[in-house]
Amino acid sequence: NAGVMQNPRHLVRRRGQEARLRCSPMKGHSHVYWYRQLPEEGLKFMVYLQKENIIDESGMPKERFSAEFPKEGPSILRIQQVVRGDSAAYFCASSRNPGLGSYNEQFFGPGTRLTVL
Amino acid sequence: QKEVEQNSGPLSVPEGAIASLNCTYSDRGSQSFFWYRQYSGKSPELIMFIYSNGDKEDGRFTAQLNKASQYVSLLIRDSQPSDSATYLCAVSDGNNRLAFGKGNQVVVIP
Repeated sequence: NAGVMQNPRHLVRRRGQEARLRCSPMKGHSHVYWYRQLPEEGLKFMVYLQKENIIDESGMPKERFSAEFPKEGPSILRIQQVVRGDSAAYFCASSRNPGLGSYNEQFFGPGTRLTVL
Repeated sequence: QKEVEQNSGPLSVPEGAIASLNCTYSDRGSQSFFWYRQYSGKSPELIMFIYSNGDKEDGRFTAQLNKASQYVSLLIRDSQPSDSATYLCAVSDGNNRLAFGKGNQVVVIP
C-alpha cells in the first residue's frame, strides 16, 4: 500500500494520559501535514513538517501539543495530558516537495479517531 | 483570518442530474484550490485541483475558478448514488497550509 498510513486508527485515553499518533507519508512524499476535525466542524490545519524540521506550527495549540518528523521513522503528533476537548479525528496528509516544481496536492491518510474518557 | 465559505445547505439531486457546489474565499493571495470528497467516517479524498482561472474537467467532475470574484465551484455531472458524500473546498495560500470550508453534503436520490 503506497498511500499515507496512520496508526492507530482508534485511540482511547483517559484524561491526563498521553496520546501518540503516527503518520508515514506516501512513497515519494517528503512533506507531512497534520489536521484536526472536531465533531460538526471543518478540518483545521495544525502543523507542517519535513524531515527533521517543523516548517509551520501556527495551527498548533500552545500547550500540550507537539509534533516531530525524525530522519528515520514516522511523523508523530503527541498530545500530553489529554482533555475531553481533544477528542477528534486527527488526519495526516503528505505531499511532494512543492519547491520541485509541483504544486502541493495533499493526500490524506485514514485518520486516528481519538476519544478521551 | 483567512476564510473559506461553503454556505449552501445539504443538496439533494436526482440520479443523473448535475450537482453544483460553490465556495468563496477571503484571501486574494490564494494560489491553489482543491475539492475533497469525504464519506461519513472516512478521510478526505482529493478529487479535483485547479490553479488557473477557468474550467478544468476530469471525468464527470468540472472545477471552475474565478480569482477576480474569489470563488471556486464544482460541478458533478450524471450524479450517481455513490457521489453522496460531503464535499470540502480547500484553499492554499502558497505556504502549503490548506484552509477548509465546512463542507456541503450531497445526497443523490435514486
